[in-house]
Amino acid sequence: GNSVTQMEGPVTLSEEAFLTINCTYTATGYPSLFWYVQYPGEGLQLLLKATKADDKGSNKGFEATYRKETTSFHLEKGSVQVSDSAVYFCALTLWDTDKLIFGTGTRLQVFP
Amino acid sequence: EPEVTQTPSHQVTQMGQEVILRCVPISNHLYFYWYRQILGQKVEFLVSFYNNEISEKSEIFDDQFSVERPDGSNFTLKIRSTKLEDSAMYFCASSMEGQGGQPQHFGDGTRLSIL
Repeated sequence: GNSVTQMEGPVTLSEEAFLTINCTYTATGYPSLFWYVQYPGEGLQLLLKATKADDKGSNKGFEATYRKETTSFHLEKGSVQVSDSAVYFCALTLWDTDKLIFGTGTRLQVFP
Repeated sequence: EPEVTQTPSHQVTQMGQEVILRCVPISNHLYFYWYRQILGQKVEFLVSFYNNEISEKSEIFDDQFSVERPDGSNFTLKIRSTKLEDSAMYFCASSMEGQGGQPQHFGDGTRLSIL
């Protein structure tokens, strides 16, 4: 079946550290891939997306590249801030369905 | 920036009671969705809605659940006879288009607590 696997959290970093949150997927067909972020007490916000292989999504200093050969969509940021502390969800959708399939989420905690 | 709004933010209900969760999607969006997140678990798809009918639903979305767009702006999720296991955060979402990669925009959620 179709699924998304994310690294377990929490990920704890100091401010200005480099961030990687791993995401791999299993899909029948060619999915579109997304990262959503959930700040404390808020809903899910779209962070970035990529719809085909080798596409790079980017937003607010975050990047993720759609790697078909490794079925991955890892989230990276060169220098995290305390305000980046949140839960990050990797998700996919397929051309023949309405639904988003989410990973379990990875909590990021950034300390000053 | 336009956003999806959900009310109430927190709903406490006795087991067996009916509950209606309300959402106002982004005004020019055509596709509407409900998801839920049980505490500590994944966000799960419940149902999608387009052109005044359900276009897709999950196994979770059984006969106890229904959705409705009663007017031009609201989108509701009704649970007829709530169970303890319905306790979760319920998210509404909307998008311009359906299948195949269009981003869905989410509300802040309604936390449903069943006593």
